[in-house]
Amino acid sequence: GAVVSQHPSWVICKSGTSVKIECRSLDFQATTMFWYRQFPKQSLMLMATSNEGSKATYEQGVEKDKFLINHASLTLSTLTVTSAHPEDSSFYICSARGTLAGVRRAQFFGPGTRLTVL
Amino acid sequence: EDQVTQSPEALRLQEGESSSLNCSYTVSGLRGLFWYRQDPGKGPEFLFTLYSAGEEKEKERLKATLTKKESFLHITAPKPEDSATYLCAVPESVGNQFYFGTGTSLTVIP
Repeated sequence: GAVVSQHPSWVICKSGTSVKIECRSLDFQATTMFWYRQFPKQSLMLMATSNEGSKATYEQGVEKDKFLINHASLTLSTLTVTSAHPEDSSFYICSARGTLAGVRRAQFFGPGTRLTVL
Repeated sequence: EDQVTQSPEALRLQEGESSSLNCSYTVSGLRGLFWYRQDPGKGPEFLFTLYSAGEEKEKERLKATLTKKESFLHITAPKPEDSATYLCAVPESVGNQFYFGTGTSLTVIP
């Protein structure tokens, strides 16, 4: 239970193009999803919190016009990196807040998406 | 200020050499402490959650314990496949966000 998928698992794009990353909760409904960014050998950095049917809440320093988040359903959130540049290259991970038997308030993570911008 | 600190930053163990990882937290009104395992190039995998001081959870060679100020992840007779980064996290006092520690990178040498 509590499986989260991400697609694509890796993507290479040219500078100036936009990239969309999908995050799905496969076997549970997630009213709240989170998007993180992780640089090599560093911990997770929260970018934004996404609630189904409402606008995402972005962390300080994260450009909301550059990182567009859409949480259109209880099982799907998307992150679009607009006009990507090499400095946007990173590992992007989503998580979904859900309940497993006996586990409250847990976040379950997707496998991550490696973005490389040339 | 809510904070999570993990130590050591890195740990190298011989196969079979037991040890413990530490996660210290300062958050008012703890609403759970979560342990995750992260392999390189992958998302964190949920391991345990603890909700109250004195609680313990076990999974194979791992045992997590919780006090009012910290949590320990005990690794008994580790194997090379236990090599990974172990992250702990606590929810903020109000809201859904997690505060993550910087992780302990564990390497188990055959």
